[in-house]
Amino acid sequence: GAGVSQTPSNKVTEKGKYVELRCDPISGHTALYWYRQSLGQGPEFLIYFQGTGAADDSGLPNDRFFAVRPEGSVSTLKIQRTERGDSAVYLCASSSTYLDEQFFGPGTRLTVL
Amino acid sequence: GENVEQHPSTLSVQEGDSAVIKCTYSDSASNYFPWYKQELGKGPQLIIDIRSNVGEKKDQRIAVTLNKTAKHFSLHITETQPEDSAVYFCAASSYGANSKLTFGKGITLSVRP
Repeated sequence: GAGVSQTPSNKVTEKGKYVELRCDPISGHTALYWYRQSLGQGPEFLIYFQGTGAADDSGLPNDRFFAVRPEGSVSTLKIQRTERGDSAVYLCASSSTYLDEQFFGPGTRLTVL
Repeated sequence: GENVEQHPSTLSVQEGDSAVIKCTYSDSASNYFPWYKQELGKGPQLIIDIRSNVGEKKDQRIAVTLNKTAKHFSLHITETQPEDSAVYFCAASSYGANSKLTFGKGITLSVRP
């Protein structure tokens, strides 16, 4: 595709439910990043994949958050037992070793009621 | 860890004037400093970046300067246009572009026609 795509664009769920957010990176990009952006704040790093493996997961806030990238392309961010404080825009970015820039997707707006 | 600060949170300029946005960072090991522009409902878009081995970089109406001693960097936009109105984020990384970015809180730039 032309850019990073994320689905769904909006997700409304109830407290305690499980959600999955999907990211399709730019074709051929080996690195993939997840960030979370709360209202009025800058993006906050969650996790970074190089290929299939998580190179840095230091930003995941707790064990309710988990992400996978099984084939080194599409990634899924999984949130268990959602809490109201998880409400935010979840951004995905990808980069190529050669171009050295992180390209962001439009984000998924998660609302936990 | 790295801490990136942006001040002020809003800036309003007259069309045609210049705008300067400043950021400070805390980690002296940081070596990559990108600036992102974010429009409503969209993901951040890279507009310019600078690495620690140079002090200034220009791209048409946009320039970035870096002062490693003082640990601050600035975005300069000349001949501002209404379409420059957006939220601008600075960020820093200790491991180049292909690693986690630490973002500032962002500044809302308004260009008055």
